[in-house]
Amino acid sequence: RKEVEQDPGPFNVPEGATVAFNCTYSNSASQSFFWYRQDCRKEPKLLMSVYSSGNEDGRFTAQLNRASQYISLLIRDSKLSDSATYLCVVTYNNAGNMLTFGGGTRLMVKP
Amino acid sequence: TAGITQAPTSQILAAGRSMTLRCTQDMRHNAMYWYRQDLGLGLRLIHYSNTAGTTGKGEVPDGYSVSRANTDDFPLTLASAVPSQTSVYFCASSDSAYTEAFFGQGTRLTVV
Repeated sequence: RKEVEQDPGPFNVPEGATVAFNCTYSNSASQSFFWYRQDCRKEPKLLMSVYSSGNEDGRFTAQLNRASQYISLLIRDSKLSDSATYLCVVTYNNAGNMLTFGGGTRLMVKP
Repeated sequence: TAGITQAPTSQILAAGRSMTLRCTQDMRHNAMYWYRQDLGLGLRLIHYSNTAGTTGKGEVPDGYSVSRANTDDFPLTLASAVPSQTSVYFCASSDSAYTEAFFGQGTRLTVV
């Protein structure tokens, strides 16, 4: 089982729709959580951090459930420009690799 | 601020040749990482370094080596390239387990 798992999609949604992605992680010692966005053939870029209390940035809302070991990303009022791959990232404060990526979820927003 | 810079941007390399992909960051981040990303697949960790002078193996380290002589630079070397190493390579850095990672723009390598 992978440490960080995501549904690869693609999620095909019409403009204006609300879409949600989940990401599960296996290591309960996980420290921090992030959502990244990656456009085709470009480098991943930070979309938002995920806080224990949940956080919102415009049309984007991130939630963390430590008990069930998953994080979620909700996108409201989808835009064509939201089409991308969304990567879940989990960090660990240890002597080994600190950064683990999920495989990504592809979103396609259509007119 | 440059952030994190990779060179070259793209390269075509003959099989059997060696090559070093360069990665430099100016943010004084402790940790640096090398990933490869193949078409339609996720990021796979090749090697990482939590601090200058230390390195560790990731998920797919075979055929690659790294060094971390100082904080800013983290070169990735292919000693004898094979076609299966054709990929897009991303370098990243982060300050700690509590902060975001930043990525370079990637190096597109084709081994023929």
